[in-house]
Amino acid sequence: DQQVKQNSPSLSVQEGRISILNCDYTNSMFDYFLWYKKYPAEGPTFLISISSIKDKNEDGRFTVFLNKSAKHLSLHIVPSQPGDSAVYFCAASVSFGNEKLTFGTGTRLTIIP
Amino acid sequence: DAGVIQSPRHEVTEMGQEVTLRCKPISGHNSLFWYRQTMMRGLELLIYFNNNVPIDDSGMPEDRFSAKMPNASFSTLKIQPSEPRDSAVYFCASSATSGYQETQYFGPGTRLLVL
Repeated sequence: DQQVKQNSPSLSVQEGRISILNCDYTNSMFDYFLWYKKYPAEGPTFLISISSIKDKNEDGRFTVFLNKSAKHLSLHIVPSQPGDSAVYFCAASVSFGNEKLTFGTGTRLTIIP
Repeated sequence: DAGVIQSPRHEVTEMGQEVTLRCKPISGHNSLFWYRQTMMRGLELLIYFNNNVPIDDSGMPEDRFSAKMPNASFSTLKIQPSEPRDSAVYFCASSATSGYQETQYFGPGTRLLVL
């Protein structure tokens, strides 16, 4: 049972445009969410996170939006750059401070120059 | 800082053989995690340790899998006997402070192929 779902396995976006990656979850106990970025032959690296008490968190070109009623979060990258081409994983935990993370299957983002 | 070190980076073995994956966490980190990545299920947490003690092994698929952390600088994940469905990329991660997900640093992974 996949509790965190990333329904788009891949996404292609023109350089300079906005990239929007989506993630849905089913476990209503999740209240802390993270995005990780992964390049080929490397491990995932932390990108940005959001607590359920917020609906938006911004860090430079990266913004994560959380819609708790819809159990949906999204990652916006503006503007998209070639170095953003990677696999992006959404992850969730039942509480901030709980180390156990549940990951999605990932979305491969390709930025077209 | 060398980061999390995993060995081997690639492993090809035959069904029924024992496989041992190794991990050296970042010095000073007190939590260690083993994950498995597959196309169908994404990244799954198998087990994690805090101060060398296993905290949650509910993600370990079955008795063929075992993990140990004999000291703060070394951990192993063993599969015995291995099966083709164990083929995946296995990641080790470590963190400095219990409870802060942002500080989970991943190793480069071990790509396992069981024939």
